[in-house]
Amino acid sequence: AQKVTQAQTEISVVEKEDVTLDCVYETRDTTYYLFWYKQPPSGELVFLIRRNSFDEQNEISGRYSWNFQKSTSSFNFTITASQVVDSAVYFCALLLTGTASKLTFGTGTRLQVTL
Amino acid sequence: DVKVTQSSRYLVKRTGEKVFLECVQDMDHENMFWYRQDPGLGLRLIYFSYDVKMKEKGDIPEGYSVSREKKERFSLILESASTNQTSMYLCASNSFTPMNTEAFFGQGTRLTVV
Repeated sequence: AQKVTQAQTEISVVEKEDVTLDCVYETRDTTYYLFWYKQPPSGELVFLIRRNSFDEQNEISGRYSWNFQKSTSSFNFTITASQVVDSAVYFCALLLTGTASKLTFGTGTRLQVTL
Repeated sequence: DVKVTQSSRYLVKRTGEKVFLECVQDMDHENMFWYRQDPGLGLRLIYFSYDVKMKEKGDIPEGYSVSREKKERFSLILESASTNQTSMYLCASNSFTPMNTEAFFGQGTRLTVV
């Protein structure tokens, strides 16, 4: 069975604060992919990043960074110097490799950034 | 650009009606997925398909069926719509190719069953 847990339902921060969104996953497979998606108020899901299970290197893209740790089955997402435009629901997802693989999402974290 | 298109943005149907939600992708992706999104529950997988005519149940298949007669098209069918199927429905597709596994989503169909 595979599962993704995003324990933070909602987070509110003031603009320019840093914020970390947590994601914990469960799988018995050794090969898999992890993803983060953003869903702004317009509703369409936007892909942010993909990580495969063999690549534990952290990644930084502008104000966004991702910390992948297999030892704790976590794939956390940090936004540095948050902005109002970062307000959205963020989803973490897990995909096993091979045919007939489910793409499983967490329940999402709603981030509210205020002035 | 990858494009996943859902046939309707908004639908209102009556209880007991048979409802078809259509999804088309233009990137020759092998996999296609149907999710429903409800507040506090995230995206829950209804069905997915990894090839033409092949389908697998997701986590909440009850009350739904699917059809994939062509690679680019994946239909979700509500055999007899009920009010508890009022929800946002999202279609997605992705590829088996290791460097292209991210899923791309349609704009969603907000279905209301009255």
